[in-house]
Amino acid sequence: DQQVKQNSPSLSVQEGRISILNCDYTNSMFDYFLWYKKYPAEGPTFLISISSIKDKNEDGRFTVFLNKSAKHLSLHIVPSQPGDSAVYFCAASQEGGKLIFGQGTELSVKP
Amino acid sequence: DAGITQSPRYKITETGRQVTLMCHQTWSHSYMFWYRQDLGHGLRLIYYSAAADITDKGEVPDGYVVSRSKTENFPLTLESATRSQTSVYFCASSESFSGHRNSPLHFGNGTRLTVT
Repeated sequence: DQQVKQNSPSLSVQEGRISILNCDYTNSMFDYFLWYKKYPAEGPTFLISISSIKDKNEDGRFTVFLNKSAKHLSLHIVPSQPGDSAVYFCAASQEGGKLIFGQGTELSVKP
Repeated sequence: DAGITQSPRYKITETGRQVTLMCHQTWSHSYMFWYRQDLGHGLRLIYYSAAADITDKGEVPDGYVVSRSKTENFPLTLESATRSQTSVYFCASSESFSGHRNSPLHFGNGTRLTVT
């Protein structure tokens, strides 16, 4: 039972364009959502998060949108850069509960 | 340097052997975690620890043993390795169990384990 799903295993985007990574969840009790970025041969690193009391959080080129009614969140990267090429994991949790990760989406930004 | 380190980075072992993966953190975080990363499954929680001498099972604990005698160390042992345990293993630490309140999990660089 996959509570957090990233249905696109990979995404390819041209440098300078927008990258949109999607994530769906099934547990309506989740109230905190995070995105992690992972380069090859390294561990995941925290990128950005959002609480369920918000519908948008922005940090530089990265914006996360949360649509609670659709149980959907997305990560927008604008503009995309070759250094953004990595695997992106979304994760969700509820207070006191464990963090549940999606399967990951591999983003490739082409020069 | 402050951080979380895992050793070894790479390990090849034979079926049936016991192998221990090491994890050390310098932040004095209360929580430590072991995840495995497999294609199509993302990151799955094996075991976690809330403090020294307090450990609990995650999603996929079978075949693994953990201990936490000191706050900074959280070794993971495969008692009798099987081919299905071939994976990349990540250790993480945090002040929060769930990643809330500006306390995201911090991950080590992983151990790639191959069981032949």
